[in-house]
Amino acid sequence: QLQLHESGPGLVRPSETLSLTCTVSGASISNSDDYWGWIRQPPGKGLEWIGSIYHEGSTKYKPSLKSRVTISLDTSKNQFSLKLISLTAADTAVYYCARHMATHSWYVFGWGQGTLVTVSS
Amino acid sequence: QSVLTQPPSVSGAPGQRVTISCTGSSSNIGAGYGVHWYQHLPGTAPKLLIYSNTYRPSGVPDRFSGSKSGTSVSLAITGLQAEDEADYYCQSFDTSLSGMVFGGGTKLTVL
Repeated sequence: QLQLHESGPGLVRPSETLSLTCTVSGASISNSDDYWGWIRQPPGKGLEWIGSIYHEGSTKYKPSLKSRVTISLDTSKNQFSLKLISLTAADTAVYYCARHMATHSWYVFGWGQGTLVTVSS
Repeated sequence: QSVLTQPPSVSGAPGQRVTISCTGSSSNIGAGYGVHWYQHLPGTAPKLLIYSNTYRPSGVPDRFSGSKSGTSVSLAITGLQAEDEADYYCQSFDTSLSGMVFGGGTKLTVL
């Protein structure tokens, strides 16, 4: 059974860097023919795709976030990670890691429970 | 401003039928990319309800159905139940952004 679990700090200071890790069980991220991605939801707002990584390491990022985002794989630990630099209050959100199709318009069929990240001094 | 447009809210009485629309453009729905629907309850992970416009994953009740007409797609929920009260999001792929796009979400209230 596929399970994804986010981990990382709940509070980050403005201008600093957010690092989140998603631990995957029930599937191998290196053998999967799908994307592994990050999606967030700011308080009171809708879902926003941040970016995704394919099993061979190629990445896709939302253009407006591309200059601040890095997503990487750690196949030895079956994890993938998000790094977001130069944080502002607008980055406060629940962050979800997810598994989605590489075809079929990228529907998401696996989600983590989400982790709240607050950007505040 | 979301790439896909949904009504902010819909409501219906128990047992009734409601529909939620999702409108896109020539770089997503109009380009032939499929639309997917998620149900999101507070404090939980979103749940896939419909994929590729009309397909239901196993375990999703047949009270939920999807349809497509041109650049507009819809989610229909029949036989409304109190437990259906949630936020619903449509999602697709956009060629201009080369990535995933969502609607702004629709809050369903069961009266």
